[in-house]
Parts: sequence; C-alpha cells; structure tokens
Amino acid sequence: EVQLVQSGAEVKKPGESLKISCKTSGYTFTNYWIGWVRQMPGKGLEWMGIIYPGDSDTKYSPSFQGQVSISADKSISTAYLQWSSLKASDTAMYYCARHHGAYWGQGTLVTVSS
Amino acid sequence: DVVMTQSPLSLPVTLGQPASISCRSSQSLVYSDGNTYLNWFHQRPGQSPRRLIYKVSNRDSGVPDRFSGSGSGTDFTLKISRVEAEDVGVYYCMQGTHWPAWTFGQGTKVEIK
Repeated sequence: EVQLVQSGAEVKKPGESLKISCKTSGYTFTNYWIGWVRQMPGKGLEWMGIIYPGDSDTKYSPSFQGQVSISADKSISTAYLQWSSLKASDTAMYYCARHHGAYWGQGTLVTVSS
Repeated sequence: DVVMTQSPLSLPVTLGQPASISCRSSQSLVYSDGNTYLNWFHQRPGQSPRRLIYKVSNRDSGVPDRFSGSGSGTDFTLKISRVEAEDVGVYYCMQGTHWPAWTFGQGTKVEIK
C-alpha cells in the first residue's frame, strides 16, 4: 500500500527557518516524481514544485522559485520542503503528492505569526 | 502558466440527480507522447484531495463508476451520474502536461440542495 506520511503541524515566527517532511512507503521512491502543493486558508490548490528522487532533478513553479527549496533523501524515501525565512503569507496547509496527484500526504499545517 | 477555468464555481445538486463540471484550459493539454494529462480531484472539508480521474477518462482504483470524465484538447467535463451525499465537497481539474507549473482549476463546490 502506497503511503505518504507528513510531519506534524508547525507554528513559527516570521524570519524563522523550517523544513517539513514527507515519508513515503509502498513503492519505489526513486521511480516517481513527488511534489508539494500549497493550500492557503479557504483557497484552492497550487503546485509549488516537484522532484525526481532518482537523480534529484527539481522543478519549481515560477511563483515559488527562490522562495522554497525541495529536496529528497533516497536512503529514507523522504521528500522535504524548506524555507530559509518564513513570512506570515506562508501560513497554509502543505501537501506532498506523488506524480500527477495519484497519492497524497495528510497535509502539514504551517502557521507563521509573530 | 496554463490557466484552467472551471464552471460553475458553485453547484447545488439534488440527491440522485446528475451533475456536470466543465474545465477549460488556455492551451491544448496533449503532451508530446500523445497522452492528455488532465486529472480530476475531490476534496472534502478537512481532508486531503483524492484523485478520481486521470488522463481525461480513467477512473482511479476504488472510484465509483457514477464518476466519468470526458473531453479532449482544451475542453473537459466531469460527470456524476447520480449524486450521493458523500459527493459533496470541492472538485478540481488539474493539468499535468505543461511545466514549469502543473496547474489546478479554481475548484467547484458541490453541495446538496
């Protein structure tokens, strides 16, 4: 059974850094693109970027290029989404999702507030 | 970016009646491999999205056959043959053909009248 299990909710202050994770199981991690989707409160879905863990090829949506970093650790079948300096506008639910949205994590709520 | 436009954005439906959602893309979604990467998702409040349909008309495992997808090029439709109570929520179309960003439609909220 394919599973994507995300790290827990985070409450951070503006300017702080953060790395959230998405641990996968049930399939060959290196064979599929995996990405991150943002959902701001009461809003729709936005792809942020995707990574191919097999060779770490990473693509970012123009809206998120330079704002976040996506990475993957093949040894533990885990993908990551990272911020170096959070803003209040980063407050949202973040989902990891396998290639073309076939499977989704449960979401990680990130709250950025002073 | 490819813009995905759904209509209607709100859809009140009667239990047991059919429902239909339209999705139009600003560019053709036919990929160089001949496939059309148009997917449909359903999201209930407080839950992760769930994919229902991939590549225009293929139902994902476990998806009831009352859901069907059709279309080609830039024009696509999701149909529910007989709406059930569990079908409420927001439906999104998504194109996976063009990068630098796969894109979703704005979402269509389905509620029971």
